[in-house]
Amino acid sequence: EADIYQTPRYLVIGTGKKITLECSQTMGHDKMYWYQQDPGMELHLIHYSYGVNSTEKGDLSSESTVSRIRTEHFPLTLESARPSHTSQYLCASEHRGGGDEQFFGPGTRLTVL
Amino acid sequence: RKEVEQDPGPFNVPEGATVAFNCTYSNSASQSFFWYRQDCRKEPKLLMSVYSSGNEDGRFTAQLNRASQYISLLIRDSKLSDSATYLCVVNTGFQKLVFGTGTRLLVSP
Repeated sequence: EADIYQTPRYLVIGTGKKITLECSQTMGHDKMYWYQQDPGMELHLIHYSYGVNSTEKGDLSSESTVSRIRTEHFPLTLESARPSHTSQYLCASEHRGGGDEQFFGPGTRLTVL
Repeated sequence: RKEVEQDPGPFNVPEGATVAFNCTYSNSASQSFFWYRQDCRKEPKLLMSVYSSGNEDGRFTAQLNRASQYISLLIRDSKLSDSATYLCVVNTGFQKLVFGTGTRLLVSP
């Protein structure tokens, strides 16, 4: 089983609030990713990191930001949540040179009212 | 055109049936290929990597056809527990994975 955790698992919040979705992994993986997935749709990469102090935007434009101050921690922040941000957010990690296998956290299901 | 395309299904099959999924990818420079499984409202998990020579893991067989740019997954002797969405995943060469929409499989008794 992969040791990658996300909190909260479910979040219902009002428009305009600032939120941070937490993601931690204890496998020492260098690479970490954030995906957004709507029900029945494909995963879209919104942010990724190849190591500490490395962050890049993914293929899907997102108003969120990320930071990577520690190897094990890759939080995602929305400064002002909107209903259009309602979605599932999945964090993943990968060992550099690990054959591209990504391990996913359980996800955070976000609802913005 | 999407980088990775799959038939969304659902594929409804009885227990014991053999079912095959196909997936096409658009970037001929793609380097590695995978099938992930995603259960309803759960995270994706790696099912198997796909190698050029084809590979088998128990009841599951994966094949890659680089010339035609498609990947297949064959499931033999389907079990109820095989019901899930199967995601075709491609590393397009930019060190990022591109996920297909997934093909939903429903195995009934």
